[in-house]
Amino acid sequence: GQSLEQPSEVTAVEGAIVQINCTYQTSGFYGLSWYQQHDGGAPTFLSYNALDGLEETGRFSSFLSRSDSYGYLLLQELQMKDSASYFCAVLNQAGTALIFGKGTTLSVSS
Amino acid sequence: DAGVTQSPTHLIKTRGQHVTLRCSPISGHKSVSWYQQVLGQGPQFIFQYYEKEERGRGNFPDRFSARQFPNYSSELNVNALLLGDSALYLCASSKGGDQETQYFGPGTRLLVL
Repeated sequence: GQSLEQPSEVTAVEGAIVQINCTYQTSGFYGLSWYQQHDGGAPTFLSYNALDGLEETGRFSSFLSRSDSYGYLLLQELQMKDSASYFCAVLNQAGTALIFGKGTTLSVSS
Repeated sequence: DAGVTQSPTHLIKTRGQHVTLRCSPISGHKSVSWYQQVLGQGPQFIFQYYEKEERGRGNFPDRFSARQFPNYSSELNVNALLLGDSALYLCASSKGGDQETQYFGPGTRLLVL
């Protein structure tokens, strides 16, 4: 089956850089996705890595190392609005559904 | 373009009752998935439908059922509600086979008393 591990909480100050790590165990691997969810809101797609390396989208970057079954989400120039839960996710073996980690709660303070 | 819409937004039921939740995907999206999210956890997969056929089912009891209509909207039904069914029920749509990128609706928050 699929399982993912990520830290439960991370705190940082405005303007800082934070890295949220994710390790996974999968029966089959398609790629690693990241989703952001604000309190009371819906998860929103941030990034997807199918290949090793770094993908950059504005202030957010995502990295994947398939050999290490490891990835991370890097958030730069943190803003208060980045306070949210961040989930890493992989597809199930059939490719029909996302399997989510338990999420990392990021708290950004001024 | 409108995003994924779900109704109702909130619902209170009592044990033993049944509930029907509704979802309309983004225009042009043919796949709809349902997830259950309890407080402090990530979403957990319930069903995936593509072109009106069930393509995947998570580890949920038979009390949970779903269907997709010709216009690609979907319903999730839960019978014989239990207290443990209290959760946020999320619907997500995607264009087709690409399940890595899913667009989630705001969810229906169900409380079972």
